[in-house]
Amino acid sequence: AQSVSQHNHHVILSEAASLELGCNYSYGGTVNLFWYVQYPGQHLQLLLKYFSGDPLVKGIKGFEAEFIKSKFSFNLRKPSVQWSDTAEYFCAVNGDTGRRALTFGSGTRLQVQP
Amino acid sequence: SAVISQKPSRDICQRGTSLTIQCQVDSQVTMMFWYRQQPGQSLTLIATANQGSEATYESGFVIDKFPISRPNLTFSTLTVSNMSPEDSSIYLCSVLGGLVLNTEAFFGQGTRLTVV
Repeated sequence: AQSVSQHNHHVILSEAASLELGCNYSYGGTVNLFWYVQYPGQHLQLLLKYFSGDPLVKGIKGFEAEFIKSKFSFNLRKPSVQWSDTAEYFCAVNGDTGRRALTFGSGTRLQVQP
Repeated sequence: SAVISQKPSRDICQRGTSLTIQCQVDSQVTMMFWYRQQPGQSLTLIATANQGSEATYESGFVIDKFPISRPNLTFSTLTVSNMSPEDSSIYLCSVLGGLVLNTEAFFGQGTRLTVV
């Protein structure tokens, strides 16, 4: 069965600090990996995705993530956060075959202090 | 990309009643999913709804409580039956799309349900 673990439940950073949010997954096949963001009161928005090719993927708003297959990880990074990055971040995974629905991690609440 | 419209966007309902949530997609899609996001929680899959077949429910969710219809490739409904305050959540419709192997999930804006 698929599972996704996000180790950081609540992260507080100052503006301009660097960000790394951990995500590990469990799945017995070829995976597609996603990071979604949910700003307060808004719906889910796709930050970036990985399904093949270069394991370092770049998304919107200066975010990037690196797929490390040997570690079953897909950590999200941003070199310098802004107050507007305050949001909930969800890592998710699905497979190319079998279970196609996304399995979500528990989410990380990021609070950026000005 | 796929654009998904959900109705209603929010509702306040009395316990014991039922609410039907509609999901309309602007293109034909094979796979459609319904998720629940309880307050302060992540998204949990309720069921997968494919056109022409019965919905497949996840553990902990049953058809009597969450009946789903999928009459065509662009529309689905989820009914929350005999509601209780524990059903207060955001309910989201999602489809798979994208240019490559339908790998990207698109979400509706959600239906925020409060049961009183």
